[in-house]
Amino acid sequence: AQSVTQLDSQVPVFEEAPVELRCNYSSSVSVYLFWYVQYPNQGLQLLLKYLSGSTLVKGINGFEAEFNKSQTSFHLRKPSVHISDTAEYFCALNAGGTSYGKLTFGQGTILTVHP
Amino acid sequence: DAGVTQSPTHLIKTRGQHVTLRCSPISGHKSVSWYQQVLGQGPQFIFQYYEKEERGRGNFPDRFSARQFPNYSSELNVNALLLGDSALYLCASTPGVLAVRGNNYGYTFGSGTRLTVV
Repeated sequence: AQSVTQLDSQVPVFEEAPVELRCNYSSSVSVYLFWYVQYPNQGLQLLLKYLSGSTLVKGINGFEAEFNKSQTSFHLRKPSVHISDTAEYFCALNAGGTSYGKLTFGQGTILTVHP
Repeated sequence: DAGVTQSPTHLIKTRGQHVTLRCSPISGHKSVSWYQQVLGQGPQFIFQYYEKEERGRGNFPDRFSARQFPNYSSELNVNALLLGDSALYLCASTPGVLAVRGNNYGYTFGSGTRLTVV
């Protein structure tokens, strides 16, 4: 079985400061990893994905994440946040194979950017 | 091109009632997955259907059922509604049964149906 743990339920930060949202995962097989953003009363928007290759992946809106297999982590970072980044962020994985299309999500991290 | 469409966007039901939620995938996508997102939590996998067959089922009671039609649209049915079934129900479509094929990730979510059980 696979699981995803987001280590912070809430992260407050001031505008233009850097931010890191932490995600650890557990799996006995290789996984694909994703970060999604959800704005209030909306669906999920894909920020970035790790499928293979370079462990540093870049996504939309200036976000990036680093896949660390030895530490089973996939932390999300942004060097300078904006008020508009205030939202809930979800880390997710897919284990491929007989997991088919199933995504396993973490509990979410609410990022609040203060002026 | 239309994305994943879900209907209705909101509905209110009474405990014990039955509800049907609908999802139309992206044109050309043959697989639909359903998720439940309770307030303050991450989405939980309910079902995946591919070519009208169930390909995955999450840890949900038998009150939850789904089906996929020949045009690849899908319905999620929930019987004997409980207050705890109040949630955002998300539908997602993928071209095939796998979320990732080669270097392509084809997962697209709809905006969801907000179900409130009173």
